[in-house]
Amino acid sequence: SQQGEEDPQALSIQEGENATMNCSYKTSINNLQWYRQNSGRGLVHLILIRSNEREKHSGRLRVTLDTSKKSSSLLITASRAADTASYFCATLYSGYALNFGKGTSLLVTP
Amino acid sequence: ETGVTQTPRHLVMGMTNKKSLKCEQHLGHNAMYWYKQSAKKPLELMFVYSLEERVENNSVPSRFSPECPNSSHLFLHLHTLQPEDSALYLCASSLGQGKETQYFGPGTRLLVL
Repeated sequence: SQQGEEDPQALSIQEGENATMNCSYKTSINNLQWYRQNSGRGLVHLILIRSNEREKHSGRLRVTLDTSKKSSSLLITASRAADTASYFCATLYSGYALNFGKGTSLLVTP
Repeated sequence: ETGVTQTPRHLVMGMTNKKSLKCEQHLGHNAMYWYKQSAKKPLELMFVYSLEERVENNSVPSRFSPECPNSSHLFLHLHTLQPEDSALYLCASSLGQGKETQYFGPGTRLLVL
């Protein structure tokens, strides 16, 4: 069953602006992951945040996790055209498989 | 390049054809996965293999038949597919079953006519 739900479904910004996308989930998690998918390609792992962490950084990415609200956010700072992609949050379920949301489609225009 | 390759990248087949999708990982991982990605829908897990044994068959129709001959290779055999099976089929691997980060191949874009 679907666990993660990203918001917004689509986001359009200009280069240099920050992009924020959110993810809500339903059940308890050990960790939450964010993936990126360029059009029609495979997914690339971006960052993993564990349930006992509140914030994590990786380059221009900042992820927060609020387990009390069952939500996470991904912030991309100083966006570039190359950041144009779909972004998915994923949680582990059944002990071995990832459950993905429908994703946020990000368009960064020059 | 994630270390997971998939062939073919694109496939067009009729409903009476039999074809196979191939996935190979060069990461020394022990778990491999097939996902289906249809337009406007979340990724759907199809099959999970851990140490070459199938541990999950997520209510997938029998016209999809997986095969994992060793921990580096995963196949998806297709026969008598329907047009609604047209989708992007993604293979992924992880260090072990439930070992968090999964590494995805580029996918096979399948069109069933």
